[in-house]
Amino acid sequence: GENVEQHPSTLSVQEGDSAVIKCTYSDSASNYFPWYKQELGKRPQLIIDIRSNVGEKKDQRIAVTLNKTAKHFSLHITETQPEDSAVYFCAASKTRNNDMRFGAGTRLTVKP
Amino acid sequence: EPEVTQTPSHQVTQMGQEVILRCVPISNHLYFYWYRQILGQKVEFLVSFYNNEISEKSEIFDDQFSVERPDGSNFTLKIRSTKLEDSAMYFCASNTQGEQTQYFGPGTRLLVL
Repeated sequence: GENVEQHPSTLSVQEGDSAVIKCTYSDSASNYFPWYKQELGKRPQLIIDIRSNVGEKKDQRIAVTLNKTAKHFSLHITETQPEDSAVYFCAASKTRNNDMRFGAGTRLTVKP
Repeated sequence: EPEVTQTPSHQVTQMGQEVILRCVPISNHLYFYWYRQILGQKVEFLVSFYNNEISEKSEIFDDQFSVERPDGSNFTLKIRSTKLEDSAMYFCASNTQGEQTQYFGPGTRLLVL
């Protein structure tokens, strides 16, 4: 089955700096890669996603890149703000089953 | 904006008891999922459900677990005889035909004593 690895497990940055979180996946049939932000005790909230026919996608301060050959994808947050502090999860799924496999999460702390 | 809802928000039960966690997916969604998240760990897939049957289940989803769509709106997860290690946050999610984005409910925090 699909295995998603995520790094780093914790990340601390100064406000205004950029943050990068990286994930790798094992199943070449995976074609959908969402990123979720989870605040303490809350539900995972989708922040951005990318499909395998696209190499990069951007939404304001958030961007995601995908390298299908290497089977890795990354989340980039620019101009970080304290409210970006949360746990971020990457995930991967295939059209056929659509069950998502999550990475272990990255706890991002943005220091004011 | 429509959201997935879940009840109860918290459930405390004794080991060996049965629990039923309830979810109301977004009304036009056809695919339903249960995930669990043990405290401080990643979100883990349990089961997916479509057209009144299980589509896929993980190794976690053993005979103690079952899912049901008893009516047109609810989607339930039953744990037949709870164990201490079932303590976790359980999330329901749903999506619609042709869409891979899954929308999560707020979760039910289950504590097994």
